[in-house]
Amino acid sequence: AQKITQTQPGMFVQEKEAVTLDCTYDTSDPSYGLFWYKQPSSGEMIFLIYQGSYDQQNATEGRYSLNFQKARKSANLVISASQLGDSAMYFCAMRVPTGANSKLTFGKGITLSVRP
Amino acid sequence: DGGITQSPKYLFRKEGQNVTLSCEQNLNHDAMYWYRQDPGQGLRLIYYSQIVNDFQKGDIAEGYSVSREKKESFPLTVTSAQKNPTAFYLCASSIGPAGSISMGYTFGSGTRLTVV
Repeated sequence: AQKITQTQPGMFVQEKEAVTLDCTYDTSDPSYGLFWYKQPSSGEMIFLIYQGSYDQQNATEGRYSLNFQKARKSANLVISASQLGDSAMYFCAMRVPTGANSKLTFGKGITLSVRP
Repeated sequence: DGGITQSPKYLFRKEGQNVTLSCEQNLNHDAMYWYRQDPGQGLRLIYYSQIVNDFQKGDIAEGYSVSREKKESFPLTVTSAQKNPTAFYLCASSIGPAGSISMGYTFGSGTRLTVV
């Protein structure tokens, strides 16, 4: 079975600083995809970034980058130059190719608060 | 613009009543999902459907029912058998054949259900 672990308590960061949100995962499948989503207080889930298990380079999307350490089974999200609008809950998720039942497994999320 | 529409945004229900949450997508996605989120918690899968007229139970299906008569629609009924239905409900969809690990989900904006 797949498992995503996000154990950090609420995180705080000063505006314009960088912050790392931790995510570890567990799967026996050699092929998998890792995702990060942002959930503002309004509730919608916003896709941020994707990393495939066979990707040679760490994924980047604007201010978001994924620190992918395959041997450690970690996929930490790095947000550079934090903005007030980054205050939200962040979810790490994983998908493995289990055929017709392939679906995302989510972690419990991390709350990030950006201080002005 | 393509997307997922969930309605209503807020819903109040009396104890003992069934209530149906709507989820419609115009993305031509094959798979659709229902998640429940409690305050400060992660997402728990209720039901999912990979094709029309077929659906599977997720991790917390008891007290819920779904139908998938059309590709675009995946309504969720919260029945009176659900002991603690007050929560935030998110609908999602995904494109592509089963096993596409690079395919994340597109989410609706959610329905906040309160039992009064």
